[in-house]
Amino acid sequence: EADIYQTPRYLVIGTGKKITLECSQTMGHDKMYWYQQDPGMELHLIHYSYGVNSTEKGDLSSESTVSRIRTEHFPLTLESARPSHTSQYLCASSDRGGLNEQFFGPGTRLTVL
Amino acid sequence: LAKTTQPISMDSYEGQEVNITCSHNNIATNDYITWYQQFPSQGPRFIIQGYKTKVTNEVASLFIPADRKSSTLSLPRVSLSDTAVYYCLVGDINKAAGNKLTFGGGTRVLVKP
Repeated sequence: EADIYQTPRYLVIGTGKKITLECSQTMGHDKMYWYQQDPGMELHLIHYSYGVNSTEKGDLSSESTVSRIRTEHFPLTLESARPSHTSQYLCASSDRGGLNEQFFGPGTRLTVL
Repeated sequence: LAKTTQPISMDSYEGQEVNITCSHNNIATNDYITWYQQFPSQGPRFIIQGYKTKVTNEVASLFIPADRKSSTLSLPRVSLSDTAVYYCLVGDINKAAGNKLTFGGGTRVLVKP
């Protein structure tokens, strides 16, 4: 069973608010990822990290930012939420070597009113 | 990453075998083929990965022909709980560049009673 956690699971918030979506993993994985997925649609990579103090933009442009101060923690922040940010946000992690299977968290469903 | 093409949806019945074929004509020498499963409102889950010929685990089998331009995920004797979206991904799992995965649209499998 993968040990990757996301909080909150659901968040409804008003326009203009600053929000942080939390993601933590206890597997000691170097690589972590954030994906965005609208209902019934594809997953899009928005951020990833090779390790501590390493962050990169993904394939889909996003107004969110991320940080990686600790190996186990990869929070995503939106400085000013807008209705267009309404989506599901999925966090994942993978080990450096081997099969590099990505383990996904349960996701955060964000609704911005 | 090599572009993949898979059917948008497939219907099946309980107890039948489901075969999902993925085309990846531009697969590179170092690319592996990986399949993920995603249930509604959950993150994807790794099912199986292979490079060539046949790979089998407790969940599925993966058939890869010699030219590697396609692959077939086989789910034996499906049950209602196998209703999900199945993603075929192709990429070099050993690349240092963040092991980015492109999920595409996936195949929606509906298992009927």
